Amino acid sequence: EAGVAQSPRYKIIEKRQSVAFWCNPISGHATLYWYQQILGQGPKLLIQFQNNGVVDDSQLPKDRFSAERLKGVDSTLKIQPAKLEDSAVYLCASSLVGQVSYNEQFFGPGTRLTVL
Amino acid sequence: GDSVTQMEGPVTLSEEAFLTINCTYTATGYPSLFWYVQYPGEGLQLLLKATKADDKGSNKGFEATYRKETTSFHLEKGSVQVSDSAVYFCALRSQKLVFGQGTRLTINP
Repeated sequence: EAGVAQSPRYKIIEKRQSVAFWCNPISGHATLYWYQQILGQGPKLLIQFQNNGVVDDSQLPKDRFSAERLKGVDSTLKIQPAKLEDSAVYLCASSLVGQVSYNEQFFGPGTRLTVL
Repeated sequence: GDSVTQMEGPVTLSEEAFLTINCTYTATGYPSLFWYVQYPGEGLQLLLKATKADDKGSNKGFEATYRKETTSFHLEKGSVQVSDSAVYFCALRSQKLVFGQGTRLTINP
């Protein structure tokens, strides 16, 4: 079974530029998550989708970050404009269901973003 | 809000040594508890979990027991191997998954 796919794996941009990350979850997984992992810290949830609806985006900096999950499969996370403090690894994860009962979250390899 | 505090790293041990990585948590209600592992160049993987008090999670020789009275979920392994070198994250889930800061473990042959 294929795992969670993410691209690109690495991205270097200058501050005030925009960037987009793509995630393809495990087939059949209804719930998709985006996490931000700053160096030396644990991952922090940015947004959770259930199918194509947003369940939790309370920690998403909405003035510059946006995410969508059209058709309830792939997802894109965008940052516009980027700041130096956005340098981090962006992780995508998916699970069968979300909050109703525990289902293991499977993580992708992440995209490492460096903002200069 | 919910939070997880892990033992500061990095931790360096010799092969076959005993491992303990401490983890304590603060949460409302009764969260599920997890240990995740991140091997070099790979994504996060679930190592073990416990969903209620006194449950013991185990996998690959690692164990952790859900201690409600001390709000702890310490990770242990009796004899570590070089292949256990990785970053270990303690996490809890009530409404969402909340991670500790991670502990980098290096095992020397």
